[in-house]
Amino acid sequence: TQLLEQSPQFLSIQEGENLTVYCNSSSVFSSLQWYRQEPGEGPVLLVTVVTGGEVKKLKRLTFQFGDARKDSSLHITAAQPGDTGLYLCAGPTGFQKLVFGTGTRLLVSP
Amino acid sequence: DAGITQSPRYKITETGRQVTLMCHQTWSHSYMFWYRQDLGHGLRLIYYSAAADITDKGEVPDGYVVSRSKTENFPLTLESATRSQTSVYFCASSREGRLAKNIQYFGAGTRLSVL
Repeated sequence: TQLLEQSPQFLSIQEGENLTVYCNSSSVFSSLQWYRQEPGEGPVLLVTVVTGGEVKKLKRLTFQFGDARKDSSLHITAAQPGDTGLYLCAGPTGFQKLVFGTGTRLLVSP
Repeated sequence: DAGITQSPRYKITETGRQVTLMCHQTWSHSYMFWYRQDLGHGLRLIYYSAAADITDKGEVPDGYVVSRSKTENFPLTLESATRSQTSVYFCASSREGRLAKNIQYFGAGTRLSVL
């Protein structure tokens, strides 16, 4: 069974601070996805990283896929209250299925 | 563009009752999924379906039943609800094929409480 562990589990910061969320596995994945889930809603895809070592930027969010394709990170620069939510990494396991990480709950206070 | 809708959004039931959660998608996606979300566990796959009349178990299928007679609907039934099934349930869909890249589109969820 492929598992994805995320850290930290919970993060509470002030507006303007930087943060990094980690997603680790002992298994190799062909790609990894990051989703954000806001309260009362379902997860929404932010990005997919495909190539080992790949870095993708989405405004203030920077996503990196590890060289060995076993881990990924999400870095947020100058966090804003609108970044508050649950961040989930996910990896494909066949037949369009995904295995999801344990999640990181982010709270950004004004 | 309705997308994927779940109903009801909130449900309270009692132990032993049968409960059905509904999921409807308007994209004609081949794949549909049911997850439960519990603190510390992320999303865990209950059942999935590759097409109408094709379903298969996920990671945590015990106590749940699914059917898919039409492509757009994928109901999840708890045959005899237990307190351990108190959770938030999400339905998702995905296109078929390599270009789909395993991207899943989620409904807003159903919060179920079993008393």
